[in-house]
Amino acid sequence: DGGITQSPKYLFRKEGQNVTLSCEQNLNHDAMYWYRQDPGQGLRLIYYSQIVNDFQKGDIAEGYSVSREKKESFPLTVTSAQKNPTAFYLCASSILSGNTIYFGEGSWLTVV
Amino acid sequence: EDQVTQSPEALRLQEGESSSLNCSYTVSGLRGLFWYRQDPGKGPEFLFTLYSAGEEKEKERLKATLTKKESFLHITAPKPEDSATYLCAVSGDISNFGNEKLTFGTGTRLTIIP
Repeated sequence: DGGITQSPKYLFRKEGQNVTLSCEQNLNHDAMYWYRQDPGQGLRLIYYSQIVNDFQKGDIAEGYSVSREKKESFPLTVTSAQKNPTAFYLCASSILSGNTIYFGEGSWLTVV
Repeated sequence: EDQVTQSPEALRLQEGESSSLNCSYTVSGLRGLFWYRQDPGKGPEFLFTLYSAGEEKEKERLKATLTKKESFLHITAPKPEDSATYLCAVSGDISNFGNEKLTFGTGTRLTIIP
């Protein structure tokens, strides 16, 4: 089945540690996105990518980094510079000229 | 700056009791208004896209409508499995290609009581 796969579902990060969240899609979508969801707030865009080897900062990119080496993959690294990383992270994708974004199942990141 | 406000924050209905969820928005040049359903601990599931005032779309017990200032998600004779958080989002004119400027509301948490 076509879809967006995020892993791991649950991840724990120690203070000062970088962690990477995986996102893979087999929908042949050109654009991919990372959102963060916190209780009581709308989804906020971290990074997005339109094509391979190109990506742009969203509204809350500080403390995060991404890469887009393959069309299917868009991993997100949460660095130690992100001071409040505990959140639900959502990867999404869409066709380049389309209007609809489709989401993965999400990853929970907790700082311990 | 685009803004999306959803109301109510939470809604409890008896099974079969119809109601509507509201999504008020301000956007510079609406490109699309989106409705998603989100179950606890899961990613949002796409429901509808509306593009212009007067447009309506239906799916099972759900019907979405759009005016120039707001959208409604009407739920007819809901069942317990309709319990979820419903998210609204808008895509405005200020974007390079599509959805990088999508603005989300905080959602309405709907609970259907058997």
